[in-house]
Amino acid sequence: ETAVFQTPNYHVTQVGNEVSFNCKQTLGHDTMYWYKQDSKKLLKIMFSYNNKQLIVNETVPRRFSPQSSDKAHLNLRIKSVEPEDSAVYLCASSYGAGYAEQFFGPGTRLTVL
Amino acid sequence: GDSVTQTEGQVALSEEDFLTIHCNYSASGYPALFWYVQYPGEGPQFLFRASRDKEKGSSRGFEATYNKEATSFHLQKASVQESDSAVYYCALSDRGYGGSGNKLIFGTGTLLSVKP
Repeated sequence: ETAVFQTPNYHVTQVGNEVSFNCKQTLGHDTMYWYKQDSKKLLKIMFSYNNKQLIVNETVPRRFSPQSSDKAHLNLRIKSVEPEDSAVYLCASSYGAGYAEQFFGPGTRLTVL
Repeated sequence: GDSVTQTEGQVALSEEDFLTIHCNYSASGYPALFWYVQYPGEGPQFLFRASRDKEKGSSRGFEATYNKEATSFHLQKASVQESDSAVYYCALSDRGYGGSGNKLIFGTGTLLSVKP
C-alpha cells in the first residue's frame, strides 16, 4: 500500500515532557512537510524538507525540531511540551515544488495536560 | 505575506442544494490555487488545483475557476449529497523558486453539513 503513515495516532503527556512523532511515505516523493492543525481546525505549515534538506522553517518555537534520515522519513521532536502544543500534527509529502499536490497522513493528536 | 480568506465558517444545506464556498487570496506573485477536503479523523485530501487565470479545476462534481482580477477561487457544486459533509479548505502555493513555494497556505476552512 502506498500512502503516508504516521505514528502514534494519539499521545497524551504532561507539560515539560519530550515527545517524538514519526512519518513515513511510500509514494516515492522527494518532499515532506509538517503541518499543525489547532482546535479551531486552522492548518499551518511548520517545516518542509526536500531530499533530506530543510527548505521551509516557519516561525516555530525552538523546542520543535524536525529530522529527516532519508527522503521517505520525517520525524518531529518537541522538547519540553507546553499546553499550546496540543493539536493534531499532520505529515504530508509531494513530488516536486510549488504546485505539486500534497498527500497527507491521518495525523498525530497530541494532548498536553 | 500571502493569505487565503474563506468567508463562510459553516454551511448547512439539504441534499440536492447548490453549494458555493467563497475563497479569496492575497499573493504577490502568481500562485497555484487548491481545494482540499478533510473528513473526520483523516488528513486533508487534494480535490483539485488551478495554476493560471481562467483555468477551471474540477473533481467529483466540484469545480472552481481561477479569477486573477477578482483574486478568487470559489468552490461550487450543483447538487450536494450527504456524503459531501466535511471541512473544505482553499489553499495557495507560490511558484517555489528557491524552495519558498514548498508549502501550502490554507484558509480557515468551511464546515459543510448536508442533511438528507
